[in-house]
Amino acid sequence: EIVLTQSPGTLSLSPGERATLSCRASQSVSSSYLAWYQRKPGQAPRLLIYGASSRATGIPDRFSGSGSGADFTLTISRLEPEDFAVYYCQYYGASPWTFGQGTKVEIK
Amino acid sequence: QVQLVESGGGLVKPGGSLRLSCAASGFTFSDYYMSWIRQAPGKGLEWVSYISGSSSYTDHADSVKGRFTISRDNAKNSLYLQMNSLRAEDTAVYYCASSSTVVTPIDYWGQGTLVTVSS
Repeated sequence: EIVLTQSPGTLSLSPGERATLSCRASQSVSSSYLAWYQRKPGQAPRLLIYGASSRATGIPDRFSGSGSGADFTLTISRLEPEDFAVYYCQYYGASPWTFGQGTKVEIK
Repeated sequence: QVQLVESGGGLVKPGGSLRLSCAASGFTFSDYYMSWIRQAPGKGLEWVSYISGSSSYTDHADSVKGRFTISRDNAKNSLYLQMNSLRAEDTAVYYCASSSTVVTPIDYWGQGTLVTVSS
């Protein structure tokens, strides 16, 4: 089973700042199967990034994903008020699917 | 638009059973893998099970294998999770989710239904 560890647990930033979220896998994985999701309170999670770096339909270009091997990053170039949420990474290349524990991006 | 609406959650005693349902609309249900994913209080997301569009393939997490069974009714655009021998550690919000295959990301999630296992 691939264990995903996200850091930091909480990121306190101001609107307009850059957010860098990390997702580290317990072993090297194919970047083809790494996704990022956003979840806001009271809402269903939303797919942001798949294949480590491809934006899902309708996702603004301020969201970008990168990485390979065991280290992956989600970057939000300039935080908008609606971006304050919890972000999860997921590996879907094998069973069981696994998720990171989440990074909360909060307003500083 | 795509909608996934879970129902059937509630309070159940340890050892009890519960059946969750997920009503899907806005897409060709039978073309998609469907999954259940849960989140226990204060914990991360945990995949529970998935089922292929034709029901020919299913898989369950080791933590629920032998106790939970996923199924679907394509005529009713519905997904189910039969949960037996429930334990306190099964307490969680259960989400219904769709994906094209088991090696593609989750396209859509429901809002979730809360299952509480407590005496």
